[in-house]
Amino acid sequence: SQTIHQWPATLVQPVGSPLSLECTVEGTSNPNLYWYRQAAGRGLQLLFYSVGIGQISSEVPQNLSASRPQDRQFILSSKKLLLSDSGFYLCAWSRDNQPQHFGDGTRLSIL
Amino acid sequence: DQQVKQNSPSLSVQEGRISILNCDYTNSMFDYFLWYKKYPAEGPTFLISISSIKDKNEDGRFTVFLNKSAKHLSLHIVPSQPGDSAVYFCAASGTSGTYKYIFGTGTRLKVLA
Repeated sequence: SQTIHQWPATLVQPVGSPLSLECTVEGTSNPNLYWYRQAAGRGLQLLFYSVGIGQISSEVPQNLSASRPQDRQFILSSKKLLLSDSGFYLCAWSRDNQPQHFGDGTRLSIL
Repeated sequence: DQQVKQNSPSLSVQEGRISILNCDYTNSMFDYFLWYKKYPAEGPTFLISISSIKDKNEDGRFTVFLNKSAKHLSLHIVPSQPGDSAVYFCAASGTSGTYKYIFGTGTRLKVLA
């Protein structure tokens, strides 16, 4: 069966520090991969999606970037975090137009 | 511009009764709709979906109804159980952007024992 792993579960970072969140999927190949953010009291907002290695589409202008160095690895990064980057970050995968499946998320707090 | 709206932030229902969660959308190009359930400190879990060619889809205690003319969908849970207490998100997708789900803000359901 397929599983998705995200880490860390929680992260506290100072303003201006870099960020790297990692997501890996097991049990499938060539998945579509997604990064979402949920701000307090808001729905899930799609940040990036990828249909293959090195292929990244950005949905909203922001301080973050994404990379897909391997088929089942998706990384969310920032060079300098802002206070507004605080939130709950979720990685998801899908294949063949099936519903997206989510990881357990990373709670990011910026101080 | 919020294309998918869940106007009730919370709902309380007695155990054994029906829970009805509502969702409205504005984009007539949406043709695929989903419901996800989320427990605290976990990612959303897929519950049920419906294509715009149908007006009803059922899976056990969960039924989703779609009213395309009203741009409205609802999730019915019968009978409700305490374990159903969670936040429920509806999501919509269009054929031109299959990968892109637009999520509502969620409804927190509390099932009272």
